Amino acid sequence: AQRVTQPEKLLSVFKGAPVELKCNYSYSGSPELFWYVQYSRQRLQLLLRHISRESIKGFTADLNKGETSFHLKKPFAQEEDSAMYYCALSAPYNFNKFYFGSGTKLNVKP
Amino acid sequence: DAGITQSPRHKVTETGTPVTLRCHQTENHRYMYWYRQDPGHGLRLIHYSYGVKDTDKGEVSDGYSVSRSKTEDFLLTLESATSSQTSVYFCAISDPGEGTGELFFGEGSRLTVL
Repeated sequence: AQRVTQPEKLLSVFKGAPVELKCNYSYSGSPELFWYVQYSRQRLQLLLRHISRESIKGFTADLNKGETSFHLKKPFAQEEDSAMYYCALSAPYNFNKFYFGSGTKLNVKP
Repeated sequence: DAGITQSPRHKVTETGTPVTLRCHQTENHRYMYWYRQDPGHGLRLIHYSYGVKDTDKGEVSDGYSVSRSKTEDFLLTLESATSSQTSVYFCAISDPGEGTGELFFGEGSRLTVL
């Protein structure tokens, strides 16, 4: 069965510090991995997906199939990055169902 | 924002009463989903629909039913609400025509069952 694990419930860093939000997954096939973000009083929105290999708002994430990880990184955190971050997995040919981790709340202190 | 609206946005009800949440989309996306969001659990899939009148169960479907009589509307019903169903409910849509597509979310419906 598929599972997405985000080990940190809360991550607090100072502005300008590097940040890494961890995500590990288990799935027997080749899933697609995503990061979604929920800013205060806003709806969930896509931050990035592994197949696009883009950098969005300075965030990057590399899929490591050997370690089954998809950690989200940013070299210099900003206060506006404070939000709830969800790692998600989508299994191909399965009605585009997404499976989400429990989320990590990032708090960037001034 | 994708054209997704949820109603009601907030509801307080009592144990044992029926509740229906509505999701309406204007994007003509084929797939629609209901998730619940709970601290420590993230988002969990309740039910999903892959077309009109085509629905199936997700991870946490007990106590919930759904209906989709039109492409644009996906209803989630709690036949007899319980306190464990106090949660924030999110509707999402996607378009399989774009491969493993992005999920677009509604603003959420906060339900409190007393």
